[in-house]
Amino acid sequence: QVQLVQSGAEVKKPGASVKVSCKASGYTFTSYGISWVRQAPGQGLEWMGWISAYNGNTNYAQKLQGRVTMTTDTSTSTAYMELRSLRSDDTAVYYCARDLGSSGYYQPGVYWGQGTLVTVSS
Amino acid sequence: EIVLTQSPGTLSLSPGERATLSCRASQSVSSSYLAWYQQKPGQAPRLLIYGASSRATGIPDRFSGSGSGTDFTLTISRLEPEDFAVYYCQQYGSSRRTFGPGTKVDIK
Repeated sequence: QVQLVQSGAEVKKPGASVKVSCKASGYTFTSYGISWVRQAPGQGLEWMGWISAYNGNTNYAQKLQGRVTMTTDTSTSTAYMELRSLRSDDTAVYYCARDLGSSGYYQPGVYWGQGTLVTVSS
Repeated sequence: EIVLTQSPGTLSLSPGERATLSCRASQSVSSSYLAWYQQKPGQAPRLLIYGASSRATGIPDRFSGSGSGTDFTLTISRLEPEDFAVYYCQQYGSSRRTFGPGTKVDIK
């Protein structure tokens, strides 16, 4: 069965960076894209970006451009999301989600990780 | 960037009632690339509907989606106790995907 297992909770100071991992199993990793979505406490869902596990192509939300980098390691079937210059309003649960289909960019997320809480506090 | 607006913000209904949730886009959603997700407290979102009207695997047929262009609807024909949750729409037809702010369906 498809599983996405994310790394554990992080506490960071303002200005620091965080790197969250998302280890995939149960399918051919390079056949599907992965999105990252975050949710601030008590708030809605915010799409952060997408990465192709096939060729590493990325597409980031405009507001995060320059601060976020998404990568994959195909040898370990793991996706990573790094966010730099952290601010208090980056405090959120961060989710990875695998695309529904394997053809093209225009896919919703069907399998989701359990979420990783990142707290930014001085 | 396509902005999604969901209404109402909160829907208070009783089990067995019909729920109708709306999602409106600031511009036309390409190829009806519109999805609906359900989220319960402390859980990851769950894909219900994609392509505006296709149910994801394992989703009961009381959930249905409709619409095209800029106006989309999620209908829950008869609310079950486990359906009380927050529902989000998402467009994935543009280079930058966006979510709506959500509709909370709570027990009246």
